[in-house]
Amino acid sequence: DVKVTQSSRYLVKRTGEKVFLECVQDMDHENMFWYRQDPGLGLRLIYFSYDVKMKEKGDIPEGYSVSREKKERFSLILESASTNQTSMYLCASSSQRTGAPSGEKLFFGSGTQLSVL
Amino acid sequence: AQTVTQSQPEMSVQEAETVTLSCTYDTSESDYYLFWYKQPPSRQMILVIRQEAYKQQNATENRFSVNFQKAAKSFSLKISDSQLGDAAMYFCAYRSNDMRFGAGTRLTVKP
Repeated sequence: DVKVTQSSRYLVKRTGEKVFLECVQDMDHENMFWYRQDPGLGLRLIYFSYDVKMKEKGDIPEGYSVSREKKERFSLILESASTNQTSMYLCASSSQRTGAPSGEKLFFGSGTQLSVL
Repeated sequence: AQTVTQSQPEMSVQEAETVTLSCTYDTSESDYYLFWYKQPPSRQMILVIRQEAYKQQNATENRFSVNFQKAAKSFSLKISDSQLGDAAMYFCAYRSNDMRFGAGTRLTVKP
């Protein structure tokens, strides 16, 4: 089975701190994603990476950055955490068929509930 | 950018009955994929069903089926013979390259 592991299930940080959310997948997937989930808003795409060192902005990239130095790891960085970044963060990965579009399903981690105080 | 709309924040169904969850989307592309994911209280996202836009035949997975209307950009999920374990948040999603989700519908199943 594909496993997508997020380093923390719950995290509490203070305003202004630099926060790293780590995600690791074990299936050699090319694509990796970061979403945040808020009640009434569903999952919103923050960043998407289709290969190592490649990244694309999603719908809400402001206040976030990402790093993908190795294929299996995709990190989400909050440079200076703010209270409006309190949310549940979900990481996902998928394989990539040759050509587009991709119909591959996403495999999700269990999520990190981040509270910024 | 593509958008996905789920107009029903909450739905309720009696055990063993049938319920339909609605989803519409907006895109200018002709080739794409549509998904329904389920998220129980464990927070784990579980794929329920997938539909290729180039296929006219509606996808079916056991008690779950979709009504895909490409021209209307509509993709509803029908759950037959509802079970208590079906209670969850359901998310509709669109994929061409990345994947975009709707706001979700919380389904309650009454015994």
